[in-house]
Amino acid sequence: NAGVTQTPKFQVLKTGQSMTLQCAQDMNHNSMYWYRQDPGMGLRLIYYSASEGTTDKGEVPNGYNVSRLNKREFSLRLESAAPSQTSVYFCASRNLLAGGGNEQFFGPGTRLTVL
Amino acid sequence: GQQLNQSPQSMFIQEGEDVSMNCTSSSIFNTWLWYKQDPGEGPVLLIALYKAGELTSNGRLTAQFGITRKDSFLNISASIPSDVGIYFCAGAIQGAQKLVFGQGTRLTINP
Repeated sequence: NAGVTQTPKFQVLKTGQSMTLQCAQDMNHNSMYWYRQDPGMGLRLIYYSASEGTTDKGEVPNGYNVSRLNKREFSLRLESAAPSQTSVYFCASRNLLAGGGNEQFFGPGTRLTVL
Repeated sequence: GQQLNQSPQSMFIQEGEDVSMNCTSSSIFNTWLWYKQDPGEGPVLLIALYKAGELTSNGRLTAQFGITRKDSFLNISASIPSDVGIYFCAGAIQGAQKLVFGQGTRLTINP
């Protein structure tokens, strides 16, 4: 099992450009999450998807959109990138089936710089 | 949003020393999790706690679910260089979709 995978690992954008961050998990988990991590700010939730076909806003959703493409894949889109979106983005997944706990498993991250 | 109070924010220790860190909350949680993040990597789950008073070990790491359900502790014994990184606590209430994270404790070890 690869766990949670993210692409790309690094990206540099110019202000106003758009891009999509990809995330996939092979653990058959129901829930998936997108976080951003900034120095001194810890992990902040952008959007999450409790199950295929549903998405909900987290703590910092402005400037982002998400798509739960299927059970495996959850993408994060920046329509018009801004320097304030320079950050490290992490995708995570969690199993909600009987016996599953609250553990979330994280991908390796995408390091995004917006110039 | 709700956050956990994690302390200390940073630690500078000598190799071989024991380490203690903790997380506190104003709310009751049903789950406490401890993660470690190596530089340039994503957080990795170290220990999960589900019962008040529970004490769980993972090698040299030991974590406890506070009896009040409002705190948790992580201890690392006999630290080694590969223990360097940022340690995060996270809490969740029963049935919640979201975790609440602490700000992290950055551990630096002098050889």
